[in-house]
Amino acid sequence: DSGVTQTPKHLITATGQRVTLRCSPRSGDLSVYWYQQSLDQGLQFLIQYYNGEERAKGNILERFSAQQFPDLHSELNLSSLELGDSALYFCASSTGGSSYNEQFFGPGTRLTVL
Amino acid sequence: QQQVKQSPQSLIVQKGGISIINCAYENTAFDYFPWYQQFPGKGPALLIAIRPDVSEKKEGRFTISFNKSAKQFSLHIMDSQPGDSATYFCAAAYLGTPLVFGKGTRLSVIA
Repeated sequence: DSGVTQTPKHLITATGQRVTLRCSPRSGDLSVYWYQQSLDQGLQFLIQYYNGEERAKGNILERFSAQQFPDLHSELNLSSLELGDSALYFCASSTGGSSYNEQFFGPGTRLTVL
Repeated sequence: QQQVKQSPQSLIVQKGGISIINCAYENTAFDYFPWYQQFPGKGPALLIAIRPDVSEKKEGRFTISFNKSAKQFSLHIMDSQPGDSATYFCAAAYLGTPLVFGKGTRLSVIA
């Protein structure tokens, strides 16, 4: 158990809908990362927050947004969902904000868009 | 330039054999090369990492070999066991940038 929790575990929704994925980092970790994992693309970095501020942005679509709250939990919002958004979404946390810090991954949220 | 190319996509190894997974990169600024291990239904977990100031790092049965001139690094799993069956991801980064992951190698160790 990495200490990172993600809810929900599974999510099934329809095209055009909006969903929110939630992540609670390990106790004491200030950084939260979001990744999308699909079979053909592997692990794609979406966005990183450090102590409430956006630190780095990857290949995150404009339809997607995220935030980190004062208690350090984070939410990833996905809107106008398309079939291609079906994937595993992972949250990871680390103590510092650098990529040199070990990242601890949650169990993921499996999103299915029908 | 930000890509990390990983091979093979899948690998089947006999129990007790050596598993070898290779990664190549283009960006010479990369200076941190971790390997993550992911079991089915779980998130990835850091297995071992190397910096380019050394050519090899060993932790138990797991060894990273690093070739700076060739811009390649590889993971060797000695005495592979069925419990090592998982997907392995290489990654790379340099200061201020997020990790760039390879597409993963699915390893199956058969008895």
